[in-house]
Amino acid sequence: DQQVKQNSPSLSVQEGRISILNCDYTNSMFDYFLWYKKYPAEGPTFLISISSIKDKNEDGRFTVFLNKSAKHLSLHIVPSQPGDSAVYFCAASAPNSGNTPLVFGKGTRLSVIA
Amino acid sequence: ETGVTQTPRHLVMGMTNKKSLKCEQHLGHNAMYWYKQSAKKPLELMFVYSLEERVENNSVPSRFSPECPNSSHLFLHLHTLQPEDSALYLCASSQDQTREQYFGPGTRLTVT
Repeated sequence: DQQVKQNSPSLSVQEGRISILNCDYTNSMFDYFLWYKKYPAEGPTFLISISSIKDKNEDGRFTVFLNKSAKHLSLHIVPSQPGDSAVYFCAASAPNSGNTPLVFGKGTRLSVIA
Repeated sequence: ETGVTQTPRHLVMGMTNKKSLKCEQHLGHNAMYWYKQSAKKPLELMFVYSLEERVENNSVPSRFSPECPNSSHLFLHLHTLQPEDSALYLCASSQDQTREQYFGPGTRLTVT
């Protein structure tokens, strides 16, 4: 049973427009959420995170929104650039030790078209 | 440069071979992880080490054997693998009290 779901396997966006990547989760114990970006033949790179005490976190062109009641989070990239083309993974963790493993979604492949 | 390195980057091995994957982190972290990424599947956690002690083993077959000699190095020893074990194996590290894990580039393993 997948606890973290990314229902869109792929997304295409025009350069300069907004990219919105979505993620749903089922475990109400999750209290920390992360987005990773992965290029081919490379490991995932940490992008941005959000704690459940917040509903928004912004870092440059990247903003993550958290809707706890809907168990939904989204990553907004604006403006989108061709270099943003990659697979984006949503991940979540529940409170435990500092080494709580992350639960990952299957990823969404973003293509930004010039 | 992620601070987490993995060798080799690519490995082809037969089902009767024994090989090892190596991971090294230069970030001063005290926890390290092995993940498996198969096509069209989420990242699967295999092993977690904290302060060089294994704290989690997600029911991984015994043909995968981890070793963590110190907080900077992590190995995954492989023997008598199956073709379905072909995947990208990722190493990650993190620091206590933080949630972000930092990944290496991975080893692309093909079992023939």
